[in-house]
Amino acid sequence: SQQGEEDPQALSIQEGENATMNCSYKTSINNLQWYRQNSGRGLVHLILIRSNEREKHSGRLRVTLDTSKKSSSLLITASRAADTASYFCATTDSWGKLQFGAGTQVVVTP
Amino acid sequence: EAGVTQFPSHSVIEKGQTVTLRCDPISGHDNLYWYRRVMGKEIKFLLHFVKESKQDESGMPNNRFLAERTGGTYSTLKVQPAELEDSGVYFCASSQEAGDSYNEQFFGPGTRLTVL
Repeated sequence: SQQGEEDPQALSIQEGENATMNCSYKTSINNLQWYRQNSGRGLVHLILIRSNEREKHSGRLRVTLDTSKKSSSLLITASRAADTASYFCATTDSWGKLQFGAGTQVVVTP
Repeated sequence: EAGVTQFPSHSVIEKGQTVTLRCDPISGHDNLYWYRRVMGKEIKFLLHFVKESKQDESGMPNNRFLAERTGGTYSTLKVQPAELEDSGVYFCASSQEAGDSYNEQFFGPGTRLTVL
């Protein structure tokens, strides 16, 4: 069974708009990570948030974590066409094994 | 510094044939992971090497899959015989020291396997 579940499954927005996607997980975590996959390419690590953190920023990315609700959100501000990709949340065990959700497909139109 | 590389980028084979995927991790990375994504579903863990040893192979779907990492450098993942449900994208990732869950994993571009 998957650890992370993303919501929505797909998101279509216009350039300049913000994109928000959510992730829920089932078990206790040490950290939660977000990855991006552009079509035909590998996964790129975006941001890691630790279980004792509530919010983290990196450029146009903002991640929140609510361990009481076992959920996280990723906000992309001022989206660009280049942000078109699939976004995945993932949790890790003590050996670094990643457990991914099904992902959110984001399409940003010019 | 070269990233994680995978070969081939795409493989099309018939059911019953054998395919071997290769992953070259970043030099010096002890940890090597295999994952796969089948038909738009979630990316699932297959197994984890620490150097040449299998740390965790709980995600290997069945005994048709065999992974090796001789010498602790590159790794191969062989599927024999391939079945239709094996189609998907196989990702490899590597990270530095073992036993640290905060180590960032660097992913290769993946191998797209199509079984006809």
